[in-house]
Amino acid sequence: QQQVKQSPQSLIVQKGGISIINCAYENTAFDYFPWYQQFPGKGPALLIAIRPDVSEKKEGRFTISFNKSAKQFSLHIMDSQPGDSATYFCAASMPYSGAGSYQLTFGKGTKLSVIP
Amino acid sequence: NAGVMQNPRHLVRRRGQEARLRCSPMKGHSHVYWYRQLPEEGLKFMVYLQKENIIDESGMPKERFSAEFPKEGPSILRIQQVVRGDSAAYFCASSLGSSGYEQYFGPGTRLTVT
Repeated sequence: QQQVKQSPQSLIVQKGGISIINCAYENTAFDYFPWYQQFPGKGPALLIAIRPDVSEKKEGRFTISFNKSAKQFSLHIMDSQPGDSATYFCAASMPYSGAGSYQLTFGKGTKLSVIP
Repeated sequence: NAGVMQNPRHLVRRRGQEARLRCSPMKGHSHVYWYRQLPEEGLKFMVYLQKENIIDESGMPKERFSAEFPKEGPSILRIQQVVRGDSAAYFCASSLGSSGYEQYFGPGTRLTVT
């Protein structure tokens, strides 16, 4: 069963604080792990992505930490801002090998609220 | 703007009618994916297409749903004889042919079945 479990379901963080969202996966064939940001009424926007050959990737205030042995990865948003308030989705996909390839398997999302 | 385009943005259909959702991929992208998002849920894969070919339709309901990506024109997701349970946001994503990994999403079509 291809599954990606995401937590927490919702998160409230003070402005300037660190937001941390966690995901766990089961299928060890997954080799690509993106994070998407979605504002109400909009489509998901690719934020940052990582492959399992590295343990961390940083882009600006956004960092992905990846733990291959634990089959977990997380998104850290440093210096969180009210404009970061959105729903964040983790996802995973695997290399092409026929049916099921390339499709993104999404977590259920985390609604982040950053309060001033 | 060379982003993924979807239309219509909102679509209202009565039970039993047909819904046609269109998606134009990003310029230079030849791979298209359709996902469905139910309220308060993550996105669920439906179908993956390349020009004139359905590569993977493992997430597509067996009945009433079909998809195409013709040589010319947008990709179409077609839902026949819609039911209330089809009400959802339908998103299209596109990627470059070679990597297939970075998928860029359109703004979605919100389908409401009354």
